[in-house]
Amino acid sequence: GQQVMQIPQYQHVQEGEDFTTYCNSSTTLSNIQWYKQRPGGHPVFLIQLVKSGEVKKQKRLTFQFGEAKKNSSLHITATQTTDVGTYFCAEGSSNTGKLIFGQGTTLQVKP
Amino acid sequence: NAGVTQTPKFQVLKTGQSMTLQCAQDMNHNSMYWYRQDPGMGLRLIYYSASEGTTDKGEVPNGYNVSRLNKREFSLRLESAAPSQTSVYFCASRAPGQGLNNEQFFGPGTRLTVL
Repeated sequence: GQQVMQIPQYQHVQEGEDFTTYCNSSTTLSNIQWYKQRPGGHPVFLIQLVKSGEVKKQKRLTFQFGEAKKNSSLHITATQTTDVGTYFCAEGSSNTGKLIFGQGTTLQVKP
Repeated sequence: NAGVTQTPKFQVLKTGQSMTLQCAQDMNHNSMYWYRQDPGMGLRLIYYSASEGTTDKGEVPNGYNVSRLNKREFSLRLESAAPSQTSVYFCASRAPGQGLNNEQFFGPGTRLTVL
């Protein structure tokens, strides 16, 4: 079945450093969503990308959708301790809304 | 407006016992979902209900049953719990409509241990 691969699995950074997580698929994605899960918490929606080559920004977070719609990335500039958590990408089905999640990237930020 | 609520928050079962995980949403959403989360594996869809009165299998339905009791409530039942079902279970819901906005709203989760 459809698989969404996400790398890296873990990332430790010093506060102030940048962070990027990547999401890849062997087939074309209809859309890609990004979620953040704080330790002990539940996933919270960040953004959805639909168009080829789309780039969206939320303050220090930049989300990209590849031209071929087979990959996506989330980049955080100048990480802060509040960025700690696990970031998931997921492909959403436009009719059923089902989500196929990547394995997630867990970010640790050292102050 | 509580969003998505789940009960219980924690549960310990013995192998072979049964239990039902409850989920309710007060956002008038049509679609509801059950996921399980295991370390290193992301979230995997167990069952979903695209609308009241319908349910469908997801990626990992074996060992589970669901009931869409009404528009608000979607329960997950383990008939005979197994240690492999030790996991964190999340319920989610999605607003009506299709296409551009597939955002899902997640509940706080149920942490289940099967001994």
